[in-house]
Amino acid sequence: QVQLQQWGAGLLKPSETLSLTCGVFGGSFSGYYWNWIRQPPGKGLEWIGAINHSGITNYNPSLKSRVSISLDTSKKQFFLRLSSVTAADTSVYYCARGDTAMGFTYWGQGTLVTVSS
Amino acid sequence: EIVLTQSPGTLSLSPGERATLSCRASQTISSSYLGWYQQKPGQPPRLLIYAASSRATAIPDRFSGSGSGTDFTLTISRLEPEDFAVYYCQQYHGSPWTFGQGTKVEIK
Repeated sequence: QVQLQQWGAGLLKPSETLSLTCGVFGGSFSGYYWNWIRQPPGKGLEWIGAINHSGITNYNPSLKSRVSISLDTSKKQFFLRLSSVTAADTSVYYCARGDTAMGFTYWGQGTLVTVSS
Repeated sequence: EIVLTQSPGTLSLSPGERATLSCRASQTISSSYLGWYQQKPGQPPRLLIYAASSRATAIPDRFSGSGSGTDFTLTISRLEPEDFAVYYCQQYHGSPWTFGQGTKVEIK
């Protein structure tokens, strides 16, 4: 049974850097791409970016200048960093496993990140 | 970027009724790369349908997907109380992967 568990700071000040970690429990780390997706309160879903097991990344152009996704295969973890946050970055952030044929098959529980001075 | 437009925004129905949700893409996408998700309050989305018409693991057969090209449909044949939620379509045909804005299925 695959489970994704995520953690990280939930309250940031403007201009700080958001950092989240997602741990993968069960299943293989290779053969999939590992994603971050966010959802502002009461709104829809936005794909942030992804990384595969080889470390190749793919980012949403709307966030590309501020986003970095990396991974540690030995720990089966991947990471999100989003720099220079503003109130507009306040969202629930999800990690998710991507399957080329199936889309986002497993999701983390979500982390609410609030940006406020 | 491929824009997905869902309609209607809200669907008010009674348990036992049939729900038909629409998703229109701004350009042709392969049906192999269109999915549907269900989201309930406080929970992450759950994959229902992938490749436009294939049910994900443990998804009841009252959920079905269809469509091709730019027009796709999610049908719930008979609404159960647990089906009242928000539904999103999502394409993984071209990067950036995008979601529709969602359709809320509420109890009438």
